[in-house]
Amino acid sequence: DSGVTQTPKHLITATGQRVTLRCSPRSGDLSVYWYQQSLDQGLQFLIQYYNGEERAKGNILERFSAQQFPDLHSELNLSSLELGDSALYFCASSSQKGANTGELFFGEGSRLTVL
Amino acid sequence: AQRVTQPEKLLSVFKGAPVELKCNYSYSGSPELFWYVQYSRQRLQLLLRHISRESIKGFTADLNKGETSFHLKKPFAQEEDSAMYYCALSSASGTYKYIFGTGTRLKVLA
Repeated sequence: DSGVTQTPKHLITATGQRVTLRCSPRSGDLSVYWYQQSLDQGLQFLIQYYNGEERAKGNILERFSAQQFPDLHSELNLSSLELGDSALYFCASSSQKGANTGELFFGEGSRLTVL
Repeated sequence: AQRVTQPEKLLSVFKGAPVELKCNYSYSGSPELFWYVQYSRQRLQLLLRHISRESIKGFTADLNKGETSFHLKKPFAQEEDSAMYYCALSSASGTYKYIFGTGTRLKVLA
């Protein structure tokens, strides 16, 4: 499957812990986006990377960080977890050529539950 | 600041009735606007974008810069249209953010 893949699909952890969510973009896509979806909150934009560099930042908490590696996969690190961090975390990728951002291709998401 | 507003969380219509899902945006430049759809047990996927001005699955959306709106319309709803719909705005220059509204769940009743 050459689509966007996210691991793990489900993760249950305790408050105060740290987790890493992983995303592999579509083959050839240089841009990776991370979103958080909490109940009734829609998709909250967290951060975007383009070819290894941070390009845009949204409402990402200081306890969260991300990076994109030379092979273009990306990781979202969530630390000092709180109950309110429980959410579905989506990764999306796009080819983003030229001035148009274009279509985002989404992964299935990683569901994080903080107990 | 960039913002996308979808005022309706849930919209229920009968099969064959017209559908309009509202989307208003706030952005000072020239945005790209999109509608994404998520069917049950499927990934979020692009439905249509304002640049292409096309009709997908009978849906159309017109960008109204004066009213800063990008409402999604379909003249005759089908049961298979039942899904979660998200309006999105992208800025390919300047901020490069790609933001979504809170979504509207469309239920088409038989």
